[in-house]
Amino acid sequence: EAQVTQNPRYLITVTGKKLTVTCSQNMNHEYMSWYRQDPGLGLRQIYYSMNVEVTDKGDVPEGYKVSRKEKRNFPLILESPSPNQTSLYFCASSLSMGNYEQYFGPGTRLTVT
Amino acid sequence: TQLLEQSPQFLSIQEGENLTVYCNSSSVFSSLQWYRQEPGEGPVLLVTVVTGGEVKKLKRLTFQFGDARKDSSLHITAAQPGDTGLYLCAGVPDSWGKLQFGAGTQVVVTP
Repeated sequence: EAQVTQNPRYLITVTGKKLTVTCSQNMNHEYMSWYRQDPGLGLRQIYYSMNVEVTDKGDVPEGYKVSRKEKRNFPLILESPSPNQTSLYFCASSLSMGNYEQYFGPGTRLTVT
Repeated sequence: TQLLEQSPQFLSIQEGENLTVYCNSSSVFSSLQWYRQEPGEGPVLLVTVVTGGEVKKLKRLTFQFGDARKDSSLHITAAQPGDTGLYLCAGVPDSWGKLQFGAGTQVVVTP
């Protein structure tokens, strides 16, 4: 089954404690993205990757890091989380950048206290 | 400021009623996509419209792309509780390569 998986689904942490949210896709997609979703603001792109070892900033990259060492995996790293990073996070993948169908993971609900 | 403006932000209707959701922009898009997001899940693609003036139907859902490719609408006929969800439009502006999302319209259909 074609899918994007994310872990964990829910996470409560404290300010400053480094965390990683994993993302994996089994569709051999080149393009992967991380989004955060906040009420009234829609989906905002954090980082994206066009292929292995190729990553770039999205619209709201401050406070986040990513890596793309393998085509299937695209982890999101918060080195020092802050309360304003409390949000719902989605990983997505598609064949390529552009108007291709985005396949989304189930989301990770992060709360930073 | 969102590149794609969706209206209304929230819509609550009774089962059996019709509704229309709008997605507008001042930019021209090569295509527009519509996604539906149900609680606790990620968005799922419903349809992609590509040609100005194009109309696509998906059961009781009708999608239209404006002639100038700057706007789109989603019309649901005889809404059912299963249509409840957040409807998002997304598109790639002619001058850029990244998919841009609107803020979404939350639709609630009560029995």
